[in-house]
Amino acid sequence: QVQLVQSGAEVEKPGASVKVSCKASGYNLNGYAMHWVRQAPGQRLEWMGWINTGNSKTEFSQNLQGRVTITRDTSASTAYMELSRLRSEDTAVYYCARGTCPGCYLIDYWGQGTLVTVSS
Amino acid sequence: DIVMTQSPDSLAVSLGERATINCKSSQSLFSNSNNEDYLAWYQHKPGQPPKLLISWASTRESGVPDRFSGSGSGADFTLTISSLQAEDVAVYHCQQYYSRPITFGQGTRLEIK
Repeated sequence: QVQLVQSGAEVEKPGASVKVSCKASGYNLNGYAMHWVRQAPGQRLEWMGWINTGNSKTEFSQNLQGRVTITRDTSASTAYMELSRLRSEDTAVYYCARGTCPGCYLIDYWGQGTLVTVSS
Repeated sequence: DIVMTQSPDSLAVSLGERATINCKSSQSLFSNSNNEDYLAWYQHKPGQPPKLLISWASTRESGVPDRFSGSGSGADFTLTISSLQAEDVAVYHCQQYYSRPITFGQGTRLEIK
């Protein structure tokens, strides 16, 4: 069955970077888009960006442009999201989430979430 | 960006009763190219990832109980739980996937009365 298993919780200082991994099993990573979504305390789910595995292009939310990177290691069936220049408002649960096709925005499976806390 | 607004923010319903959650989008999510509305509903329980319940506004995902149904078109949508069960306590999110950036509603917290 499809599973997305994310790396563990992180505590980072303001200005640092964090890299969250998402290991996919039960399907071919290259066959489906991978989105990253976060939810800060008391806030709605916020889409951060994605990798279209059909053309290998990435695209990011305007709010995070320049601070977020999404990559994948197909040999390890793992996707990564790195967020740099962390601020306190980046404290959130971060999810990887599978699109239903290489270029699809509809999400069908989610990782369990990774709590990232930004605190001095 | 398309803004998604859910109502109510929270809802308390008795077991066995109907629960109705609404979602409005700031622009139409209907595509003439495939006659579909690009609207999904997710169920989100504490400590768990969101679970896809409904896609294309009204298509129930495999394994989702038939007490869950989605309706609506254009910019107005509804999630209905016909007979509330204890395990349905969760936050429910609507999401548009009509255009980037993907956007979500603020969530509706559903509790037992």
